[in-house]
Amino acid sequence: SFVLTQSPSVSVAPGKTATITCGGHRIGSTSVSWYQQKPGQAPVLVIYFDGDRPSGIPERFSGSNSGNTATLTISRVEAGDEADYYCQVWDSTSDYVFGPGTTVTVL
Amino acid sequence: EVQLLESGGGLVLPGGSLRLSCAVSGFTFRTYAMVWVRQAPGKGLEWVSVISGHGDDTYYADSVRGRFTISRDTSKNMLYLEMNGLRAEDTAVYYCAKDGGQYMDHWGQGTLVTVSS
Repeated sequence: SFVLTQSPSVSVAPGKTATITCGGHRIGSTSVSWYQQKPGQAPVLVIYFDGDRPSGIPERFSGSNSGNTATLTISRVEAGDEADYYCQVWDSTSDYVFGPGTTVTVL
Repeated sequence: EVQLLESGGGLVLPGGSLRLSCAVSGFTFRTYAMVWVRQAPGKGLEWVSVISGHGDDTYYADSVRGRFTISRDTSKNMLYLEMNGLRAEDTAVYYCAKDGGQYMDHWGQGTLVTVSS
């Protein structure tokens, strides 16, 4: 079954760029989605199909995927971006697989 | 506007049963697969089950297979999760979500299930 890894935490100053990675064997051969979850709230889709943004998600959020690593990049970080971020793939044997999550802290 | 509203959570004894419901609106329900995802307190997201748009195909995580049953009523725009043989490790917030194509593009607000004596 597919196993995803994420760094537990990332700290970033306002206005800077946050980079969140999601590792998995040959993850570049599948599509990756990313979800933002703020405390006490439901997850929100921020990136799908590696780099597409749903309507309403700021252009500051971007994604890429190649080799064994997918990346979510948040540019010009704002205080409101502080949240947990989860990557997710779909695998024919495991169905939906989530990464363990990364907590983004805005300094 | 897409809306999903879960209900049916609560406190249940180990070994007990519970049925969660998810009322949906704002999209053509029968067209999309629907998913249940759960989150134990302080933990990450865990996929639980998925049902196809027509309801004929269902899949489950190993952790719940044989105990949980997903179903849908297209006439009522309702999604269900029947949970039997509940264990302490099933304690979680349960979210229903719309499948947008191997990802979840809309989520409900969640309903808390607590399994405890």
